[in-house]
Amino acid sequence: QVQLVQSGGEVKKPGSSVKVSCKASGGTFNNYSISWVRQAPGQGLEWMGGIIPIFGTPNYAQKFQGRVTISTDETTSTAYMELSSLRSEDTAVYYCARGPPYGSGSHPYSWFDPWGQGTLVTVSS
Amino acid sequence: DIQMTQSPSSVSASVGDRVTITCRASQGISRWLAWYQHKPGKAPKLLIYSASSLHRGVPSRFSGSGSGADFTLTISSLQPEDFATYYCQQSNRSPTFGGGTKVEIK
Repeated sequence: QVQLVQSGGEVKKPGSSVKVSCKASGGTFNNYSISWVRQAPGQGLEWMGGIIPIFGTPNYAQKFQGRVTISTDETTSTAYMELSSLRSEDTAVYYCARGPPYGSGSHPYSWFDPWGQGTLVTVSS
Repeated sequence: DIQMTQSPSSVSASVGDRVTITCRASQGISRWLAWYQHKPGKAPKLLIYSASSLHRGVPSRFSGSGSGADFTLTISSLQPEDFATYYCQQSNRSPTFGGGTKVEIK
């Protein structure tokens, strides 16, 4: 059964960037979508974007266009999310999550399972 | 973006109660809807996909229904481990989540 293991928490200054990794083990990686979802303190879940590794072209939520970069390294079954121009409102737990396999008939981001354990990113001066 | 409106935002219930949560999309999304359970400090868990399909390993007391713009998650007999926040998520366009429904102990 696939597991997603994320990198550790980060503390960043406003205006800087953060890059979070998500390594998949125990299952197929390349033909499943990977998404990034965040939860700010006291807030709900927010989809930031996703990618299907075999295609390599990411899709981003409009809110994050220009500030987020999602990529994958198929050789290590690892996905990355880089967020730039950080501000205090970006303080949140960031999750990676796997979607349906390509070709299953489902939209690539129609559901998310499993999820990584979450990475707390704190933006503070 | 498609807006997802969940109601209620919170509900107090007792063990054994039947709990119903609704989710309304700002436009039709066919059956492209999933439900998640989220507990503090844990990753969300998929419960239902395609509006009514039970994810493997999820207890049968959870069920989903609906199509188009109106959807429902029902917990038929609330168990102690079910106290959590529940989110709906649409994927007809760029994915969006509902605001969440917190199920609390009465």
